[in-house]
Amino acid sequence: ETGVTQSPTHLIKTRGQQVTLRCSSQSGHNTVSWYQQALGQGPQFIFQYYREEENGRGNFPPRFSGLQFPNYSSELNVNALELDDSALYLCASSQDTFNTGELFFGEGSRLTVL
Amino acid sequence: DQQVKQNSPSLSVQEGRISILNCDYTNSMFDYFLWYKKYPAEGPTFLISISSIKDKNEDGRFTVFLNKSAKHLSLHIVPSQPGDSAVYFCAASRTGANNLFFGTGTRLTVIP
Repeated sequence: ETGVTQSPTHLIKTRGQQVTLRCSSQSGHNTVSWYQQALGQGPQFIFQYYREEENGRGNFPPRFSGLQFPNYSSELNVNALELDDSALYLCASSQDTFNTGELFFGEGSRLTVL
Repeated sequence: DQQVKQNSPSLSVQEGRISILNCDYTNSMFDYFLWYKKYPAEGPTFLISISSIKDKNEDGRFTVFLNKSAKHLSLHIVPSQPGDSAVYFCAASRTGANNLFFGTGTRLTVIP
């Protein structure tokens, strides 16, 4: 059973650029959630994808967008990067959309915006 | 607006003693609570959870206590082991919701 994998693990971008982060969900999981963890903070919910559609969104602007593919893998896209977007981006997969089920997190993608 | 708060950024405990990590929440709609543990360069891993219909849940060395009237929960680790050294996140949710609200974490160091 393979766990949640994310790529890239580290990347550096400049303000105004665009970035795509990728996530492969754990085998058997159909739901992917993305969280942003800024330095010294806890993870904050960005959005969730289920059946290739967005299924709930946190307090993030539209320049944060995502996709889910038929194999349940997912992408997080951030346009017009800002310095405050520097953070660890965590992907989590689960067997359903509700939070009484366990979330399985990847190790994260650390984004630095200069 | 931080709905889940962990007011102690760090905690040091001797091996074999009890570790108590605390968490407070402000949203009375929360009815499901979880603890996650995070090692460096790894994603958070689920540790233990509790529903608001209970006031205690135990799993081996780990016990979570929930005080709904005080909007407070705590994680007890007995006995503490050096391998327990990690950052512990408290998280909360509502039944039927699809997201978790996390606290800022407490870094636990267990001293051999």
